[in-house]
Order: sequence, then structure tokens, then C-alpha cells
Amino acid sequence: EAGVTQFPSHSVIEKGQTVTLRCDPISGHDNLYWYRRVMGKEIKFLLHFVKESKQDESGMPNNRFLAERTGGTYSTLKVQPAELEDSGVYFCASSQGRSQGRSYNSPLHFGNGTRLTVT
Amino acid sequence: GNSVTQMEGPVTLSEEAFLTINCTYTATGYPSLFWYVQYPGEGLQLLLKATKADDKGSNKGFEATYRKETTSFHLEKGSVQVSDSAVYFCVMNYGGSQGNLIFGKGTKLSVKP
Repeated sequence: EAGVTQFPSHSVIEKGQTVTLRCDPISGHDNLYWYRRVMGKEIKFLLHFVKESKQDESGMPNNRFLAERTGGTYSTLKVQPAELEDSGVYFCASSQGRSQGRSYNSPLHFGNGTRLTVT
Repeated sequence: GNSVTQMEGPVTLSEEAFLTINCTYTATGYPSLFWYVQYPGEGLQLLLKATKADDKGSNKGFEATYRKETTSFHLEKGSVQVSDSAVYFCVMNYGGSQGNLIFGKGTKLSVKP
């Protein structure tokens, strides 16, 4: 099966611009998660979708970040306007959901990440 | 608050050397603990996990034991290979959303032939 894919792999933008990151989860996975790692810091949880609904968005840093998952398939994470401190690597992960006959603790599958540089 | 502290890297070892990467956690409850690995150019992968005290997770020759008394989950391997070169993350899930994970900073391991 195809893994979690993220686009683009790298993005360089200027402060104040808008960037949209995309994540395609493994087909059929209800759960989709976004994380980010800023320079020198730990990977931090941003939010969790179950299908198209936001289950937990406690990690979203501020209202410049908007995540969507229309139709419950792929997800986008938009940063508008981007600031210098948004630079880092943004990871996406997916896992099967309860409705798919698996336990709640089915493993997370991560994408390779998008490296965002804001100059 | 809840946190994970792991050994700072980078760690450089010769092939067949013994590996230990220390990890301790702080949590108010009884979290699940994981080690994730990121090989060069790839995404994070689950290496092993333990969901309760005294559980031992193991995979690919790596082991880690969930020690509640020392709040630790150290990663060990008896004989590393060049192919083990990667970044290793100690991770905790303290409840709530399954994917609401707390990561350590990661330890880069380089194994030389």
C-alpha cells in the first residue's frame, strides 16, 4: 500500500506570504495528525482529524494556522501570514480508526515531512 | 507538566558495539511509551512500544523496558549495524487523542563499519 505522502517536500517563502501544505494519508485511514518540529525543539503535536472532523486541535499555535480535511481524505495546513518562527519540518501521520475493526491504538504511519523555510 | 527527556546526541559507535539511549519521562498518570526511528530520507516509524509498567518492547534486536520506579524507557541493542544509523525518538502518549504524542528531542546515531 502507498504510505503517507506530503507535498511539497520543501518550501521556501518570505515572511508575510501564505503557504499550504498537503498530506495524503493512507487510503481508508480515518485518523490524520499534524505535527511540527521547529529548529532545535521537539516534535510537537498540532491537531488530530477523525475523518473530516477536528478531534483535538489543542496544539495549534495560533490563528495563522488553518487545517482542513474536506471529505475526510487528504488534509491541508495553511499558514497565513507566515512568520520567521514558523520555519521547521511539518509532519503528517495517519492511522486506522475504531470503525475499521481495529483497536484504538493502531500504529501511526508518518510521512516524510515538509521542510518549511520562512525568510 | 508531561515531558520526555532523552540523551543528547549525536552518538557514534562502531559496528557490533552495544547501544544505550537513555530516556526518562514525567507524567501525571500512566502513559504509553514508544521509540520511533527516522532513517535518512524517510518518515518516522514505530520501532517498539510498551503500554504498562514492566512491559518490554522489542523489535529488530532493540529492546526497552517500561520502568515506573525510575520513570525510564531506555533503548538498548546488543550489537549495532551500519543500517541502524538513524535518529531515534523517545515518545510518550499520556492519554486523550492517540496521536497526541510528546516527543523527546531525538538522538542521532551513526554506526561506522
